Amino acid sequence: DGGITQSPKYLFRKEGQNVTLSCEQNLNHDAMYWYRQDPGQGLRLIYYSQIVNDFQKGDIAEGYSVSREKKESFPLTVTSAQKNPTAFYLCASSMGSLSVMVDTEAFFGQGTRLTVV
Amino acid sequence: AQKITQTQPGMFVQEKEAVTLDCTYDTSDPSYGLFWYKQPSSGEMIFLIYQGSYDQQNATEGRYSLNFQKARKSANLVISASQLGDSAMYFCAMREGPGNYGGATNKLIFGTGTLLAVQP
Repeated sequence: DGGITQSPKYLFRKEGQNVTLSCEQNLNHDAMYWYRQDPGQGLRLIYYSQIVNDFQKGDIAEGYSVSREKKESFPLTVTSAQKNPTAFYLCASSMGSLSVMVDTEAFFGQGTRLTVV
Repeated sequence: AQKITQTQPGMFVQEKEAVTLDCTYDTSDPSYGLFWYKQPSSGEMIFLIYQGSYDQQNATEGRYSLNFQKARKSANLVISASQLGDSAMYFCAMREGPGNYGGATNKLIFGTGTLLAVQP
């Protein structure tokens, strides 16, 4: 079955450490996204990628980095520069308009809950 | 600049009644898509309904309908015959430029959400 997989589901990090969140999709989607969600809050866009080897900053990119070396993978690194990294992180993918002339919804992973200890 | 606004942090509705969740948006792109998602307490994001900026008719999906008023830049979600299982967080989202080859950003942004509680 096609889908989008995030791992791990729960992640604990010590202060000052970098940590990488995995996001893999087998939907053949061009576009991929990373969002951060704080308790009771909406989704804020961290980074997004329209195509392999290309990505753009979202609204809260500081302290995060990404790569898009393969179409199916879009890992997010939370660096030590991110001052308040404890949050729920959601990855999503969708067919980009670079591929087709219609729009479709974004599919989401189950999320990774990151806690700094 | 692209922006989504949901002004209702929380709402209550009686079971079997209809409820409208508000969403307004701002964009300078004539081509865009609007989405509604449901997020239960489990955290998963469930796609509900989509409306394209060039669609002439309001989108409907079962008990969900989207009241699209383009001139007012609003895309309200209407849930008919509310059920207890509808209790969740609801997010409105927008992506600019669907269907534009090479010209779209694919940037997908979300509002702050509305927490809906359905009462028996």
